[in-house]
Amino acid sequence: QKEVEQDPGPLSVPEGAIVSLNCTYSNSAFQYFMWYRQYSRKGPELLMYTYSSGNKEDGRFTAQVDKSSKYISLFIRDSQPSDSATYLCAMSRTGSARQLTFGSGTQLTVLP
Amino acid sequence: EAQVTQNPRYLITVTGKKLTVTCSQNMNHEYMSWYRQDPGLGLRQIYYSMNVEVTDKGDVPEGYKVSRKEKRNFPLILESPSPNQTSLYFCASSLYPGESYEQYFGPGTRLTVT
Repeated sequence: QKEVEQDPGPLSVPEGAIVSLNCTYSNSAFQYFMWYRQYSRKGPELLMYTYSSGNKEDGRFTAQVDKSSKYISLFIRDSQPSDSATYLCAMSRTGSARQLTFGSGTQLTVLP
Repeated sequence: EAQVTQNPRYLITVTGKKLTVTCSQNMNHEYMSWYRQDPGLGLRQIYYSMNVEVTDKGDVPEGYKVSRKEKRNFPLILESPSPNQTSLYFCASSLYPGESYEQYFGPGTRLTVT
C-alpha cells in the first residue's frame, strides 16, 4: 500500500464549479502538507502549504487537513479554465525537502 | 528571472549509452534534488544535495549518479541507461533543506531509453 493515495482522475468540471481534490495517507507522523500544481510540460509549483490540522485559505483555494482521518483536501471555488492542471499533494514528517512524499496527482480540466 | 533550468528537455537514447542531464539554479539555493515522475507513482526522489560536495541517496537511486561541485549546478548522470529509466525527470532547489514548501522545480527532462 502506498503511503499517499490520490485519485488520478481525470476530473472534468464546468467553469465556475467548486472542485474538491483529495488525498489519503497512512503515516500518522506526517505533519506538513502541501499542494502543488503542475501545468502540462511544466514542473510542479507550490500552491498551498499547511502545518498540522486545520484550514488555510488563499483566494479561491482552500486547503484542509484532517489528521484524525488522515485525509487532506484542496477546494477550488469558482474554477477557471486556467486552473486546468495536474494537482499533486505532498507531505512530510519533518518539513524537510529530503523527506517529501508525493501523491500521484489528479488531472483536472475546467471546461469553458 | 529566478529559475531552475534543465537540459536537454527531451532526450532519446539507447541502452548503455552514458548520458548527463544538467540542472542549474540562479537563486543561490543550498539544497538541490532530482526526482523522477512516472504515471501512477508520482514524484520519487532520486538523489539530493544539502550543499556543495554533500550528496545523498533518495528513494530510488539505483542506476543514477550525481555530483555537486558548484552551488548552482547539480547534474544527473546515467552511466548505463536502461529502458526502465524512461521517465520524466525534474530537478528542484530550495534555499534551505528544512523548507520543503519552498521547493522550486525545473521544467523537466523527458528521457526515453530504447
